[in-house]
Amino acid sequence: GENVEQHPSTLSVQEGDSAVIKCTYSDSASNYFPWYKQELGKGPQLIIDIRSNVGEKKDQRIAVTLNKTAKHFSLHITETQPEDSAVYFCASGNTPLVFGKGTRLSVIA
Amino acid sequence: EAQVTQNPRYLITVTGKKLTVTCSQNMNHEYMSWYRQDPGLGLRQIYYSMNVEVTDKGDVPEGYKVSRKEKRNFPLILESPSPNQTSLYFCASSLVGSHEQYFGPGTRLTVT
Repeated sequence: GENVEQHPSTLSVQEGDSAVIKCTYSDSASNYFPWYKQELGKGPQLIIDIRSNVGEKKDQRIAVTLNKTAKHFSLHITETQPEDSAVYFCASGNTPLVFGKGTRLSVIA
Repeated sequence: EAQVTQNPRYLITVTGKKLTVTCSQNMNHEYMSWYRQDPGLGLRQIYYSMNVEVTDKGDVPEGYKVSRKEKRNFPLILESPSPNQTSLYFCASSLVGSHEQYFGPGTRLTVT
């Protein structure tokens, strides 16, 4: 089955800097790669996703890139703000999705 | 408001005492799923359901049961809870083919 590795497990950045979280997956048949944000005390919420027919997708300060050949995808957050502090999960697969172990991002004001 | 609700939000129980965590969604989603979240282990799927009366095991199904008698409800049953089932549990739902999952607020379960 699908296996998803996510790095780093924790990440601290200064406010205004960029943050990058990387994931690798094992199943070359996977074609959907979402990113979820989990704020303290809440359930994960989808923030951006990408399908295998595109290499990059942007939504304001966040972007996701996908390299299908290397089987890895990344989340990029620019101009980080304190409200970006949360746990971020990548996922891969179809149904069911397989999640990475999460990255705790701390944005220091 | 479109949402996934879970009850209870917090539960402390003792080993062996049967419990049920309810999950309900109002979005007419076919797909529903249960996850547990543990420190350092991320989200691990327990069971999922593609539609009414159709359920399948996820990665960590041991010690859990589910049922899907109605489209909107997907209860998680622990027949004989043990301390290693102490965890944060999330229910999620989505349209089949959409992949975007909507998560409930979570249920924090402690088994002593």
